[in-house]
Amino acid sequence: GAVVSQHPSWVICKSGTSVKIECRSLDFQATTMFWYRQFPKQSLMLMATSNEGSKATYEQGVEKDKFLINHASLTLSTLTVTSAHPEDSSFYICSARDASRQETQYFGPGTRLLVL
Amino acid sequence: AQTVTQSQPEMSVQEAETVTLSCTYDTSESDYYLFWYKQPPSRQMILVIRQEAYKQQNATENRFSVNFQKAAKSFSLKISDSQLGDAAMYFCAYRTPQGGSEKLVFGKGTKLTVNP
Repeated sequence: GAVVSQHPSWVICKSGTSVKIECRSLDFQATTMFWYRQFPKQSLMLMATSNEGSKATYEQGVEKDKFLINHASLTLSTLTVTSAHPEDSSFYICSARDASRQETQYFGPGTRLLVL
Repeated sequence: AQTVTQSQPEMSVQEAETVTLSCTYDTSESDYYLFWYKQPPSRQMILVIRQEAYKQQNATENRFSVNFQKAAKSFSLKISDSQLGDAAMYFCAYRTPQGGSEKLVFGKGTKLTVNP
């Protein structure tokens, strides 16, 4: 149980295009999901907290207009990187909080984004 | 703000031996959660073990156990009978209890190598 999926796992796009990443909780309901970014050999950096049915809460320094987050259902949150640039290339990881399992966050497998 | 410190960027252990990874944290809260996550080369974050601060008993999960010293704000992970599959990055994480920020604060990680 407590499986979180992400799609796509790999994406390559041209500079200036937008990319959407999906995060799904497969066997539980997630009122809260989190989006992280991880650079090579570094720790996870929280970008934003996504609450179902409300606006996301962004961390300081994260551009909300560039990283659009939508959490329309209890099992799906999406992150859209708008007008992507090479510096947006990174590993993006989502996690979902399962309130029925003692408040633990479960992570998706991540999405590697390469902007050319 | 809460901070998590992992002072060992890299550790190595012989297969079947025991290794301890260090983690200290700083908080003014009295109730919180602590976690150890494992990130293998696949980059999938996997929950290893979790500890509630109000519990005095150290958490254990098979070969994994923690030494939780609340007064010292220390939360070390002991891996017994190390296996090749234990090789990964290990991240210590802190979370405030329900009602507060649900964010996970991660340490910078420790890279564990298991030698055959």
